[in-house]
Amino acid sequence: GAGVSQTPSNKVTEKGKYVELRCDPISGHTALYWYRQSLGQGPEFLIYFQGTGAADDSGLPNDRFFAVRPEGSVSTLKIQRTERGDSAVYLCASSLDRDRPEDTQYFGPGTRLTVL
Amino acid sequence: SQQGEEDPQALSIQEGENATMNCSYKTSINNLQWYRQNSGRGLVHLILIRSNEREKHSGRLRVTLDTSKKSSSLLITASRAADTASYFCATDVSGYSTLTFGKGTMLLVSP
Repeated sequence: GAGVSQTPSNKVTEKGKYVELRCDPISGHTALYWYRQSLGQGPEFLIYFQGTGAADDSGLPNDRFFAVRPEGSVSTLKIQRTERGDSAVYLCASSLDRDRPEDTQYFGPGTRLTVL
Repeated sequence: SQQGEEDPQALSIQEGENATMNCSYKTSINNLQWYRQNSGRGLVHLILIRSNEREKHSGRLRVTLDTSKKSSSLLITASRAADTASYFCATDVSGYSTLTFGKGTMLLVSP
């Protein structure tokens, strides 16, 4: 079946602009995660949704970052007043049910964000 | 913040050789997972080992876990060019928690 998809695959923007990154999880997966991966680093957790609610947003670096999942499926990561340091690959993952222990996360291909 | 630290940072071998990469972490965990990332397929889950397990196999992969040393190793036997990728360990503190990834090992397998 279809995996996790993310759009756009690449996004170039200017410092100070607003961007939205979209994630379509695997159908039926209730848990959705956002990670950020900088060059030469491993993914870093940003936020996790169980259904429509953000169950853990402790990884969001500051209040310029916000994410929503209004219908419990598609999620959008929103970044206001982008800074050059926001440049990274933004990864989305989904899993069947976070309340099941050791639930495997399936990752999308990522959105490469470049802030000029 | 990164919990896991992979070693080496980069590894270059010939096809048919074995590749071993290591991961060290800082806090107690419920399980440790290994992921592979390449440009073609993104980040893919390889194997999970629980804190009460010492060794686990999956195909050509062998993972060990030493909780007393807070370390794990991933062995890929009879490597292939298609194994060329970055390999990351990720720790799960509670079994229900978010993953904390290391910086990864870049593996290059030459034909």
